Amino acid sequence: SQTIHQWPATLVQPVGSPLSLECTVEGTSNPNLYWYRQAAGRGLQLLFYSVGIGQISSEVPQNLSASRPQDRQFILSSKKLLLSDSGFYLCAWNLLGGSTDTQYFGPGTRLTVL
Amino acid sequence: AQKVTQAQTEISVVEKEDVTLDCVYETRDTTYYLFWYKQPPSGELVFLIRRNSFDEQNEISGRYSWNFQKSTSSFNFTITASQVVDSAVYFCALSEGNRDDKIIFGKGTRLHILP
Repeated sequence: SQTIHQWPATLVQPVGSPLSLECTVEGTSNPNLYWYRQAAGRGLQLLFYSVGIGQISSEVPQNLSASRPQDRQFILSSKKLLLSDSGFYLCAWNLLGGSTDTQYFGPGTRLTVL
Repeated sequence: AQKVTQAQTEISVVEKEDVTLDCVYETRDTTYYLFWYKQPPSGELVFLIRRNSFDEQNEISGRYSWNFQKSTSSFNFTITASQVVDSAVYFCALSEGNRDDKIIFGKGTRLHILP
């Protein structure tokens, strides 16, 4: 069966510090991968998605970046965090590829920038 | 353009009552997919159901049921005999089905089931 992992689970970082959040999927190959942010309220904002290694599409201009160094690994990074980067970050994947297929979510990382 | 509207920001009901969460969507495509997810206090989004635009049959899964009506562009979710464990934020979502297309989420409805 497929599982998705995210770490760390929680993170408190000072403004201006770097960030690296990791997401890995097990039990499948060539998934589509997604990074979402949920800030303050309840809405989910798509940040990045990837259809393959090295292929990243950005949805929202910001000081975040994403990389996919391996098939089942998706990393969210920042060189200098802003207060507005605080939020709940969720990674998701498609079972067969393409959003027609259900996206399954990881447990999330709660980031607080102070 | 795609859009998902969940007009109910927050709902509170007493345990054992039935509750319906509304979802209205907009799309220009004839082929699309609708989803419901549950987000309990732990934060993880839990998949509940996926429906394609060609299947208008209502679905029932235990205490959960979904009413898909293309004529009104709605995909409502009903919980029968609600329980405290149903307390969560519920998201409705829409996808237009291209390979790398995105799922558009509604803003969610926070459901409180009071004991």
